[in-house]
Amino acid sequence: LAKTTQPISMDSYEGQEVNITCSHNNIATNDYITWYQQFPSQGPRFIIQGYKTKVTNEVASLFIPADRKSSTLSLPRVSLSDTAVYYCLVGDRFLSSGNTPLVFGKGTRLSVIA
Amino acid sequence: DSGVTQTPKHLITATGQRVTLRCSPRSGDLSVYWYQQSLDQGLQFLIQYYNGEERAKGNILERFSAQQFPDLHSELNLSSLELGDSALYFCASSVGAGLHDTGELFFGEGSRLTVL
Repeated sequence: LAKTTQPISMDSYEGQEVNITCSHNNIATNDYITWYQQFPSQGPRFIIQGYKTKVTNEVASLFIPADRKSSTLSLPRVSLSDTAVYYCLVGDRFLSSGNTPLVFGKGTRLSVIA
Repeated sequence: DSGVTQTPKHLITATGQRVTLRCSPRSGDLSVYWYQQSLDQGLQFLIQYYNGEERAKGNILERFSAQQFPDLHSELNLSSLELGDSALYFCASSVGAGLHDTGELFFGEGSRLTVL
């Protein structure tokens, strides 16, 4: 499984765009990149998933360069309610029996300041 | 609301005891995953079941066991509890066997276990 590296923490002011970068140097051809958000004492929630180039939804954008060795989650105009831990995960689309499902690392703790 | 239901929400017990955590997946989801999250730790994958069969195993202790029943609900059994087992235990579900079949895991609100 591809290992991911992301910053432990980030601070941002309200209204700013936040970009969280994740490194995954040994990403495999079949791997997808998925981001989850977790608020304290709650289960993680899916934000966005992509394979290459750019993906955008109503919550965030995901930028993936051509070599796919990194990805950047972009949160536009963050608010206090975006304060959470953000996890970057990389894994095979089709897991076969015996393969371990995706591992959530420690994520990036984003603190949004008023 | 993710559609995944976990009970109990909170549980306090003593060392050496045994507890059972229950999870009902979203309607239509065949896979159930169990994760453990200790204070200031990331989510540790424990085990996955797909349609009643064990699909993948992570760092699950021998004192822990799980199963998925014909109605697809799952139970995680924790025995000979130790102080270090105190954690949030999350259940998640997905439609298929592979995490990226739909790109999304749906997590419950967790069961907070405190071992005294």
